This record gives sequence, C-alpha cells and structure tokens, in this order.
Amino acid sequence: DTGVSQDPRHKITKRGQNVTFRCDPISEHNRLYWYRQTLGQGPEFLTYFQNEAQLEKSRLLSDRFSAERPKGSFSTLEIQRTEQGDSAMYLCASSESGRPQAFFGQGTRLTVV
Amino acid sequence: SQQGEEDPQALSIQEGENATMNCSYKTSINNLQWYRQNSGRGLVHLILIRSNEREKHSGRLRVTLDTSKKSSSLLITASRAADTASYFCATPGDDMRFGAGTRLTVKP
Repeated sequence: DTGVSQDPRHKITKRGQNVTFRCDPISEHNRLYWYRQTLGQGPEFLTYFQNEAQLEKSRLLSDRFSAERPKGSFSTLEIQRTEQGDSAMYLCASSESGRPQAFFGQGTRLTVV
Repeated sequence: SQQGEEDPQALSIQEGENATMNCSYKTSINNLQWYRQNSGRGLVHLILIRSNEREKHSGRLRVTLDTSKKSSSLLITASRAADTASYFCATPGDDMRFGAGTRLTVKP
C-alpha cells in the first residue's frame, strides 16, 4: 500500500457537466475526509466518513455535491452541474480511528471552463 | 472540532535562518498537529504534540504548546530552500479542519 490515491489528478470540464472523483484510502484506515482548496487558502473541510457512514457535512457541501463510501473502502465525490466557482483542488485524506494523524492524497485539480 | 489559525500569513527568510510560525485555537484539545504542503501537492504530517506536552522535537523542527494561551509554535531551524511550503496546524476531533496556513519562502 503506497498511501492515499486520488483519481484523476487533473480534470477539465465544461460548466454544467457532472464530474466524479475517486479516493482510495490506506487500506486499514476507517476514517476518510474530503477537502476543497483554492489557491492561497487552506483546505476547507467538506465531509468525512467513519467506515461507510457519512458523519459530518460542511455547509459548503451544497446539494450539487455528494459523497459516498459504499463499502467503507474507497470514496467518490460527485459534483453536479459544475460552476466556475467549483474550480479548486479536491483533497482526500484518511486516518485510523483513535489515531489523529491523517494521510493525504495528492489531490484532484478541477478546472471548470 | 475547530480549526487553528496560523500566523503570520507569509514569511520570507534567507537560507540558514530560523523560521517561527504560530497557531492559535479556541477550545480545549487532546493534541495539535502541524502539516506541510508543497505547492500543488497534498498535505504531509510533520509532528504531533499532545496536550500534556509542552515541547517536542523532530529533526530541525521544534514545536511548543501552551494550553493556557491556546497557542502553539513551530520552529524550523537552519532553514533550507526545500522548506519552502505552506504550513498548517490542526486540532483534530472527529473531523479535522485547517486554517489558512503560513506560506514560508526560504531564499537560497
């Protein structure tokens, strides 16, 4: 296991299209986090999962955003009807329950044109 | 949990100098962590300090924690150009939130 993997690394999409990103956490990690980060800013918390349960969602996660972790392993983040303001780096992280250190993937950079 | 806030927002130093970054938080914590992010990459965990610790070292990194002031500092000694990055603190609870970070530039 080489760490948290995110796919794709880059995505360019036209406004109004739907996009889906995937995150594969470290295999024994039961916590998974999604963040959005724009240039010069810190990562903004979007949501997190404990196994397959989505335990918290930020108000940033509008109804156009949905995240799933169906089997408590990989997770997907879908953005429907993308807008230019959705252009950002989307980061995924995972950790073990009871161990605070989080491990981050390299992110998916989304550009909406 | 609530996010930490880093200070200063930006710091520029010469190679070989020390860099100090600060983090403030608002509620009681079990631990505080520092992360580094190189441009366009994910965050990398640097060091964790527990609430019952006052100081911790890891290589050229020194972290202090003052729970009475709800603040922490990260000191990087003998900085190198490769230390150029953004640095974030986090006070994890069930979720994990970050502030805007300190953007450190180390000039060769």
